[in-house]
Amino acid sequence: TQLLEQSPQFLSIQEGENLTVYCNSSSVFSSLQWYRQEPGEGPVLLVTVVTGGEVKKLKRLTFQFGDARKDSSLHITAAQTGDTGLYLCAGVGRRTYNTDKLIFGTGTRLQVFP
Amino acid sequence: DTGVSQNPRHKITKRGQNVTFRCDPISEHNRLYWYRQTLGQGPEFLTYFQNEAQLEKSRLLSDRFSAERPKGSFSTLEIQRTEQGDSAMYLCASSSTTGGLYEQYFGPGTRLTVT
Repeated sequence: TQLLEQSPQFLSIQEGENLTVYCNSSSVFSSLQWYRQEPGEGPVLLVTVVTGGEVKKLKRLTFQFGDARKDSSLHITAAQTGDTGLYLCAGVGRRTYNTDKLIFGTGTRLQVFP
Repeated sequence: DTGVSQNPRHKITKRGQNVTFRCDPISEHNRLYWYRQTLGQGPEFLTYFQNEAQLEKSRLLSDRFSAERPKGSFSTLEIQRTEQGDSAMYLCASSSTTGGLYEQYFGPGTRLTVT
């Protein structure tokens, strides 16, 4: 059972466009992390959100954690070719599942064309 | 600035052979995790250690897999009698339990190909 669903799975856009990636679950997470991964490399941590309703910004990237801590979104403004990669959300279900392992989403592959 | 390192980066082996991978975590991190990632999927949890104690193992970790962290620093993941289905990227991550966020930082991975 996949606990975290991401949408869309694939996204192909031109430089300058805006986009939003969604990460949804029926489970509550104590925190949620977003990673970006390039081919042949490990995931790189972008941000951690902890509080329901929290919004964090990282330059052109805006991350939001849902009020009920079951979902999250990543919005990129004015995408650049350097944003190309696989975006992964990952939840920590410490209270729900009594574990600190990361439960990863299905991933969103973003391609930004010049 | 030393992040998580993994060796080797790539390993090609024949079915039935044993392989061992090494992970060196960020030096002050007391937790170390192993994940496996197949093409087009997100990483899946295998096991994790706090210091030298192995606290959790996934059902994905069959009897052919064993992980150790003998001195609470580096860790090794061994796969015995490899099968083609073991072909994947093996990722190591580390975190610190101080601060409360337990953010995990990943290494570059070891790509295993079983022929």
